Amino acid sequence: GAGVSQTPSNKVTEKGKYVELRCDPISGHTALYWYRQSLGQGPEFLIYFQGTGAADDSGLPNDRFFAVRPEGSVSTLKIQRTERGDSAVYLCASSFRGGAGDTQYFGPGTRLTVL
Amino acid sequence: AQSVTQPDIHITVSEGASLELRCNYSYGATPYLFWYVQSPGQGLQLLLKYFSGDTLVQGIKGFEAEFKRSQSSFNLRKPSVHWSDAAEYFCAVGARGGNQFYFGTGTSLTVIP
Repeated sequence: GAGVSQTPSNKVTEKGKYVELRCDPISGHTALYWYRQSLGQGPEFLIYFQGTGAADDSGLPNDRFFAVRPEGSVSTLKIQRTERGDSAVYLCASSFRGGAGDTQYFGPGTRLTVL
Repeated sequence: AQSVTQPDIHITVSEGASLELRCNYSYGATPYLFWYVQSPGQGLQLLLKYFSGDTLVQGIKGFEAEFKRSQSSFNLRKPSVHWSDAAEYFCAVGARGGNQFYFGTGTSLTVIP
């Protein structure tokens, strides 16, 4: 079946604006992850969903970042009052069961640029 | 705290030459270990993973990695590199019983003809 998809592929916004990034996981995968990858860095964990609930949101940098997964499938990462430092590639991954031992399948990412 | 170190930021090899990418981790117990590859415009693709058992792990595209507990290392190798292997390679660890992956900063591989 289809892999993990993310939309949009690119998003350019102005400082202070609100943005939403969408992730469609692999069908049947209960676990969903969001990561942020800054230039020249590896992906950095943001949040992990198991089903509809956020099982671990310890990676969210501050309260401007929020994510939801209301029906246990599609997830939206929401960033309020964007700052230039939020510019990065936001990656989504899903896995069948969740947990660090379960293989994660990554989407192509959304490149966010905050001007 | 867990950490992953990839000491080589960039490596250049000739096509057909052998390759070794280094990865060291810091963790209290043996974690789950992974290598991912990221090509431009593509998502991260899993090359191989180590959970337990045989310390030499075979992956896709002719890659292998060896877990060495004494050195806290999980180096990636390929006997003969192809031009299509040019990409960014990431080592990652996952804490047993945990939820998170921790990624290294990556090694960029250039392959010259």
